[in-house]
Amino acid sequence: QLQLQESGPGLVKPSETLSLTCVVSGGSFSSSSYYWGWIRQPPGKGLEWIGNVYYTGTTYYNVSLKSRVTILVDTSKNQFSLRLSSVTAADTAVYYCAKMPTMRSFDVWGQGTMVTVSS
Amino acid sequence: DIQMTQSPSTLSASVGDRVTITCRASQSISSWLAWYQQKPGKAPKFLIYDASTLESGVPSRFSGSESGTEFTLTISSLQPDDFATYYCQQYNSFPYTFGQGTKVEIK
Repeated sequence: QLQLQESGPGLVKPSETLSLTCVVSGGSFSSSSYYWGWIRQPPGKGLEWIGNVYYTGTTYYNVSLKSRVTILVDTSKNQFSLRLSSVTAADTAVYYCAKMPTMRSFDVWGQGTMVTVSS
Repeated sequence: DIQMTQSPSTLSASVGDRVTITCRASQSISSWLAWYQQKPGKAPKFLIYDASTLESGVPSRFSGSESGTEFTLTISSLQPDDFATYYCQQYNSFPYTFGQGTKVEIK
C-alpha cells in the first residue's frame, strides 16, 4: 500500500528557507497517473493548496505563493521536495504531502509535519 | 481564484441523525469536487470525488450530490466515528481551493 512520509526541520527562522521532503513508498512514484502535491494547514485553520508536481518535473503552484515556492522531484529516490523562501510567522503550519491521481484529487496523505517559523 | 463556501461552520447533531453539509462554488467547477474528513491531529481522509463518487472503503452512509454550483455531503445516520471536521475542495482549476470547513459536534 502506497505511503507518504514528510520530513524536515520543525523550526525555521524568519526570512530563511523552509525545506521539506516527502518520501513515497509501497507504490510507483513515476506513474503517469499521479501528481504529487503539498498542502498546508495553519494551527486551528483550514487547508491551503501549495502546489503539485508531476514525475517529469512539471509543476503547478498556488499563485499566492508562487514567487517563493519550488517543488522538485527525485525519481531515483522516490521523493519530492518543497522549498519555501523568505518565510514569516504566517508560514507556520502543518505541511502535508499527498498523492493525486489524475481527475481524482488527493486520495493518500502523509501524516503531516509541523513547521514553526520563529527566531 | 474559485471561492468555496461551506455551511454551516459548526453543526451539532446526535448519533443516528441525518446530517447535511453544503459547499457552494463561486463559479462553475463542473463535478470536480472532493470531500474530506479530518480529525484532530490527523491528516484529512479522502471520502468522495467527482462530487458523488464514494472512495473505496468509505461507509455507504456517506453520499455526495450536486446542483449547479452547490454541492452537498450527506451522512444518512451519524455514527460516533463521524464527529470530525469536513472540507470540500475543488480541483477544476488552479489554484485548487478548499472550503473553510464544517465541524460536526456531539449535541
